[in-house]
Amino acid sequence: DAGVTQSPTHLIKTRGQQVTLRCSPKSGHDTVSWYQQALGQGPQFIFQYYEEEERQRGNFPDRFSGHQFPNYSSELNVNALLLGDSALYLCASSFSRNTGELFFGEGSRLTVL
Amino acid sequence: AQRVTQPEKLLSVFKGAPVELKCNYSYSGSPELFWYVQYSRQRLQLLLRHISRESIKGFTADLNKGETSFHLKKPFAQEEDSAMYYCALSDMDSSYKLIFGSGTRLLVRP
Repeated sequence: DAGVTQSPTHLIKTRGQQVTLRCSPKSGHDTVSWYQQALGQGPQFIFQYYEEEERQRGNFPDRFSGHQFPNYSSELNVNALLLGDSALYLCASSFSRNTGELFFGEGSRLTVL
Repeated sequence: AQRVTQPEKLLSVFKGAPVELKCNYSYSGSPELFWYVQYSRQRLQLLLRHISRESIKGFTADLNKGETSFHLKKPFAQEEDSAMYYCALSDMDSSYKLIFGSGTRLLVRP
């Protein structure tokens, strides 16, 4: 089991562009959460997907959207990129009844120029 | 507002010394507290959660609701304990999100 896998690992975009980040959860997990981690900060909750629906959302604008597929994998989309969106984006998976125990991926590092 | 505070960005100790990583929280509901750890070149992983009342790798943490704290302790630090430690909070009844502190880097010197 490869655990949680994310792609791409690094990417560079310019302001105003759009980005899609991908995540495959750990085998057996049905819930995917996305977190943004700015430099020197702890992860901040963006949203969580379960049964292909957004179950809860953090304090992020509508430019951040997501999707979960029937195989439980997930995408995070960010539109109209701002310089402040530069961060490490972490995907975490869990089993629905144990959402406190998260298994994290290595992250996608986004740089917005 | 829900908040987790880790007052120390860096904690440096010598091998064999006791370690206490501080975590304070602000939350009015029924919190569940966690410690996550990230070793060098590894991904973030769960170390322990307060409801388990376990000792993992010699670390323990006790939830003190009166002081709203969840400090992580180990009596004798080892070099392999050097890592980034994050305290996190979740609402046991209604929330699916974790609220993380800003983290403390533990450096254990030989």
